Amino acid sequence: QQQVKQSPQSLIVQKGGIPIINCAYENTAFDYFPWYQQFPGKGPALLIAIRPDVSEKKEGRFTISFNKSAKQFSLHIMDSQPGDSATYFCAAGSGGYNKLIFGAGTRLAVHP
Amino acid sequence: NAGVTQTPKFRVLKTGQSMTLLCAQDMNHEYMYWYRQDPGMGLRLIHYSVGEGTTAKGEVPDGYNVSRLKKQNFLLGLESAAPSQTSVYFCAIRRDGEETQYFGPGTRLLVL
Repeated sequence: QQQVKQSPQSLIVQKGGIPIINCAYENTAFDYFPWYQQFPGKGPALLIAIRPDVSEKKEGRFTISFNKSAKQFSLHIMDSQPGDSATYFCAAGSGGYNKLIFGAGTRLAVHP
Repeated sequence: NAGVTQTPKFRVLKTGQSMTLLCAQDMNHEYMYWYRQDPGMGLRLIHYSVGEGTTAKGEVPDGYNVSRLKKQNFLLGLESAAPSQTSVYFCAIRRDGEETQYFGPGTRLLVL
């Protein structure tokens, strides 16, 4: 049973556009929600993360919006660039062991 | 890749063969994780370790064994490889008290 649902599977935007990737979770015990960025042939790298006590977090051009009541969170990429073309994964974790449950991933292409 | 190396980078196995994947870190982090990544399924946790000499099962542990005899190394073993184990395997590390998991570059495994 997939506990973190991510959409869309793929996304194409023009340079300067604002791609939005959405995730929904089921388990209310989750208390840590990271987003990872992965380039082809590389391992995932942490992009930004949020805890449920805040509704929004910004780091540079990347913003997480969090809706605790709806059990949803999303990633917004402002002023997207071709270099942002990658696969993005949302995840959810809880507890001291921080075992992460990942979404299926979104392949983003930013066209010049 | 944050001081995480994975050996080998690529391997082809025949069904029924065995092999061991090595994850090595030079960060002295307590936590180590093994994930597999399959198209359309994100990353799924196989096994993890919270310290030297300890291991625990993740989401998809069947068909795999692990060992952590030294703090810096986490081994993933396939005793009798099956085509369903064709995947990209990622190791991740995490410092106790922090949330970020740092991923290695991955091992691509093809089981024929």
